[in-house]
Formats: sequence, C-alpha cells, structure tokens
Amino acid sequence: DGGITQSPKYLFRKEGQNVTLSCEQNLNHDAMYWYRQDPGQGLRLIYYSQIVNDFQKGDIAEGYSVSREKKESFPLTVTSAQKNPTAFYLCASSMDRGNTIYFGEGSWLTVV
Amino acid sequence: GQNIDQPTEMTATEGAIVQINCTYQTSGFNGLFWYQQHAGEAPTFLSYNVLDGLEEKGRFSSFLSRSKGYSYLLLKELQMKDSASYLCAVREGGSYIPTFGRGTSLIVHP
Repeated sequence: DGGITQSPKYLFRKEGQNVTLSCEQNLNHDAMYWYRQDPGQGLRLIYYSQIVNDFQKGDIAEGYSVSREKKESFPLTVTSAQKNPTAFYLCASSMDRGNTIYFGEGSWLTVV
Repeated sequence: GQNIDQPTEMTATEGAIVQINCTYQTSGFNGLFWYQQHAGEAPTFLSYNVLDGLEEKGRFSSFLSRSKGYSYLLLKELQMKDSASYLCAVREGGSYIPTFGRGTSLIVHP
C-alpha cells in the first residue's frame, strides 16, 4: 500500500541528546514537510522540501535540522538546541507544491 | 500573515447535524482545506475549497465565501466516530503551504 511511514512511533530522549525521526513515503511525491503539534495549538511548520537536495525553513526551524538526499526520505533531527522538544511530530507529503498535503501517522517525542 | 479562527470545542448529539465555522484574514487567498484528526492520530484530508460555494462529499459538506473570509464544515447524521478535532487550513496567495488553525474539538454524545 502507498503511504507515509514515520518511525519510531514513540521516542524518549534525554536532555542534551540529538534524536532523528524517520519519514519515508512511497507515493512518488515531490514535496515533503515536517510539522509539530502541541496541545491546544495548530500544526506548526518546521521544514519543507520541494525537491531532492533542497529544503527550506518553516516557521519554527530553530533547533531542528533535515536532509533530503532521496525523494522518498525526509528525516528530521531534533537537536539539543531545541529547548522544548516534547511534542507530536507529523511528516507529510504532497504530489508537488500546491497540491493536497497528506500526513504520516506521527511520532511522539518525550524528553525525560 | 494569516489569522484563522475556529471554535475550540463543540458538542452535538448522535444523528444530528453540526456546523463548524472557520474565519480567516489573509492578504490573498489560494484555497482552504478541512482535515479530521482523531486523538493521537494523523490528520486526514476531508475537503478543499478554492471557489465560492458548497462542496458535498457524503455526510460531509464544506462551504466557502471568499468575500467574507468564511468557511464551514457541515457534518450530517452524526456518528460517535465523528468525535475528533477538525482543522481548518488556509493557503495564502504566493505560498503553496497552508497555515493551520488550532482546530475544533467535536464531541458527539448518544
């Protein structure tokens, strides 16, 4: 089945550690996105990528990094510089810019 | 920038009809999306409006008035499984990435 796969579903991180969230899609979509969701807040855009080897900062990029070495993969690294990383992270993709965005199942990150 | 407003929470009875409103302010308009999100799960796409009027899709309909900066999602014949958060997202002219509102939590009770 085609879709967007995020892993892990649940992740615990110690303060000061970097963690990487995986996102893979087999929809042949060009554009990919990372959002963060906190309770009572809307989805906030962290990074997005229109094509391979290109990505742009979203509204809350500080403390995060991404790469887009392959069309189907867009991993997100939450660095120790991110002051409040505990949140629900959603990866998404669209056929190309301007088309409907579809979401993966999300990853819960908790700092302990 | 954009300002998107939705009610925080609504309750309704199983079998009834509910209308969830979304108002927005934007310097240019380039489409409005509705998503459904069950607790702890990913948002799923419901509808897209770019022209004025009503789009019907089974029990769900979405309406748009660009001149009023207003949209609503209409859910008919409510079922318990419709209890979820409903997210309104607006795409501004010049950008292809929509901005999401905070969502409306709908509680359907028997």
